Amino acid sequence: SQQGEEDPQALSIQEGENATMNCSYKTSINNLQWYRQNSGRGLVHLILIRSNEREKHSGRLRVTLDTSKKSSSLLITASRAADTASYFCATLAGNQFYFGTGTSLTVIP
Amino acid sequence: GAVVSQHPSRVICKSGTSVKIECRSLDFQATTMFWYRQFPKKSLMLMATSNEGSKATYEQGVEKDKFLINHASLTLSTLTVTSAHPEDSSFYICSANSPGKIWGYTFGSGTRLTVV
Repeated sequence: SQQGEEDPQALSIQEGENATMNCSYKTSINNLQWYRQNSGRGLVHLILIRSNEREKHSGRLRVTLDTSKKSSSLLITASRAADTASYFCATLAGNQFYFGTGTSLTVIP
Repeated sequence: GAVVSQHPSRVICKSGTSVKIECRSLDFQATTMFWYRQFPKKSLMLMATSNEGSKATYEQGVEKDKFLINHASLTLSTLTVTSAHPEDSSFYICSANSPGKIWGYTFGSGTRLTVV
C-alpha cells in the first residue's frame, strides 16, 4: 500500500489536554498535509508543511516534519470537545496524493 | 481490509467528451462516499458527498450538471465529468466511510484527468 501509517489509530483525551498524532510515510515528498474529517462530513484542510520546513504553527495546531525519518506529528493544544474527529495526513509525491490511515480523536468534555 | 478502488487511474479525453470515474469499496459497504478535486500544488477540495440511494450533496460552486454523481449501490459511486474542458483537468479522488472501522475512512488512489 502506498498509504502512510498513523499512530495512534484512536486517541481519547480530556478536554484541555494536548493531543499528539503521528504519521509516517514511504516516499520522498513535496509537502505533507493534515486534514480533519468529522463524522459523515468531508475532509477539511488544516495545515500544509513543505518538505524543506521542519515546524509550522496555526492557532492551536503545531506540525513537525522529519524528512530523514519520513514522519510528521500533529499537536493540538488545549483540546476542545469540538476537536473530536478523524485526522489524516496526506503526502504529495510528484502529482500523487497518499493518505495515512487516520487517527480517530475523541475529546471528552 | 477497507480497500477503496478507484478507476481509471489516468485518463486523457478530448474536449467535449464525457468521462466516468468509478469508486468501489471492495470489502465493505459504504453508505457515504466523498469526491474531491485537487488542483496543482493545492490541497484537496471537497466537491460532493455521495449518498447511496439518494441525490448527492454538492458543495458551493460545484456544478451539479457538469459533475454527475451516482451512488446506485453500497459499493459503487461514479463521478461523470460531462462535456469536459481543459480546465476540468485535475486529480480526482474519492473516499468512503467504512462503518465499524475506528478510523472510519478509506481513500481511493485517485484519477488523473487530462482534457485535451
